[in-house]
Amino acid sequence: IAGITQAPTSQILAAGRRMTLRCTQDMRHNAMYWYRQDLGLGLRLIHYSNTAGTTGKGEVPDGYSVSRANTDDFPLTLASAVPSQTSVYFCASSARRGEKLFFGSGTQLSVL
Amino acid sequence: AQSVAQPEDQVNVAEGNPLTVKCTYSVSGNPYLFWYVQYPNRGLQFLLKYITGDNLVKGSYGFEAEFNKSQTSFHLKKPSALVSDSALYFCAVRDEGGSYIPTFGRGTSLIVHP
Repeated sequence: IAGITQAPTSQILAAGRRMTLRCTQDMRHNAMYWYRQDLGLGLRLIHYSNTAGTTGKGEVPDGYSVSRANTDDFPLTLASAVPSQTSVYFCASSARRGEKLFFGSGTQLSVL
Repeated sequence: AQSVAQPEDQVNVAEGNPLTVKCTYSVSGNPYLFWYVQYPNRGLQFLLKYITGDNLVKGSYGFEAEFNKSQTSFHLKKPSALVSDSALYFCAVRDEGGSYIPTFGRGTSLIVHP
């Protein structure tokens, strides 16, 4: 059982480049989330989706976009990366909104 | 608005001793409370949750948490710590209504010494 798969595992990116972080789940969960984890700041929500076809903004959405074309996939795009987007990114899902979250293993992103 | 605080950045405990990781919360309605654990280079894993009912909630790996409404707290506990319990622990809360999205604390690093 794979659960949530994130790719890539890590990436070094030049500032100004476009980057898409991939997230796929095989649990048929309705809700999906993107968080970033930074030392001393904990987890902060970037974007979320309660069901396929809908998305919403979280606490720190600027510079990021998402889409939810189907139940399984929830990619996160950085249109023009900046160094402040250096972070560990976690994708998560829940069977329905408000229930416990299942997390992927994360993507370590460095923007230089 | 909902918020959660983990007042300790780090907790140190000797193996075999009881451990407590503190969490306090603020919500406008009834709270839904969660604890998650993160081992190095891994994603977070669910430990336990409180929605309603008994104030003492039992979870995975021998952990439990005590809900205290008057103190707005949800402390994580374990009677006897193991070195393998060393990890980062996150408390999360969401309001009964609202957006249904949990707010996470900043995390507490638990270090269990042999």
